[in-house]
Amino acid sequence: KNEVEQSPQNLTAQEGEFITINCSYSVGISALHWLQQHPGGGIVSLFMLSSGKKKHGRLIATINIQEKHSSLHITASHPRDSAVYICAVYHNNDMRFGAGTRLTVKP
Amino acid sequence: GAVVSQHPSRVICKSGTSVKIECRSLDFQATTMFWYRQFPKQSLMLMATSNEGSKATYEQGVEKDKFLINHASLTLSTLTVTSAHPEDSSFYICSASPFDGYEQYFGPGTRLTVT
Repeated sequence: KNEVEQSPQNLTAQEGEFITINCSYSVGISALHWLQQHPGGGIVSLFMLSSGKKKHGRLIATINIQEKHSSLHITASHPRDSAVYICAVYHNNDMRFGAGTRLTVKP
Repeated sequence: GAVVSQHPSRVICKSGTSVKIECRSLDFQATTMFWYRQFPKQSLMLMATSNEGSKATYEQGVEKDKFLINHASLTLSTLTVTSAHPEDSSFYICSASPFDGYEQYFGPGTRLTVT
């Protein structure tokens, strides 16, 4: 079993829909990252959080430390949100990555 | 702020040759740099961690003589793939951290194709 599990693996949505991507982890962490990887390959760090909730524009990330679970929400999704979203946890001076969720938003 | 560059973005080389990939932190000093590789439709796999001025720490299964890492300064780390083979073809991504990896900033990646 992977230490970081993401769901769903693939997600297709219509423009404007509310999107939720989930991440569960099984190790103790000091921080959790949500990363976005565009088709060209470049990775952007969206959020780093260790408790509660963060919001940036249409993106919201939440984390529940007790349940070892985090969610990434996208409101009013847009085709430019199409990318792979990766959950990564910082554990023992090391980052562990989820397999990623491939999001496609159709116009 | 927190921009990391990689060069080259794409490289094609012949089997048996060596390829050097540079990773630079442009607006901060990177105490620690990380090198990852990513195969198609797979997640990132950490290859090695390097701290400025000291030898890199390689993950299990990564050949240190094949993947030479030099973290010569607080803004530059290089990965040299020696005697490249087609199975080394992959997407190589670096990240840089101003601390010990708690916060990482990723480079745009280098796509290596070995023919």
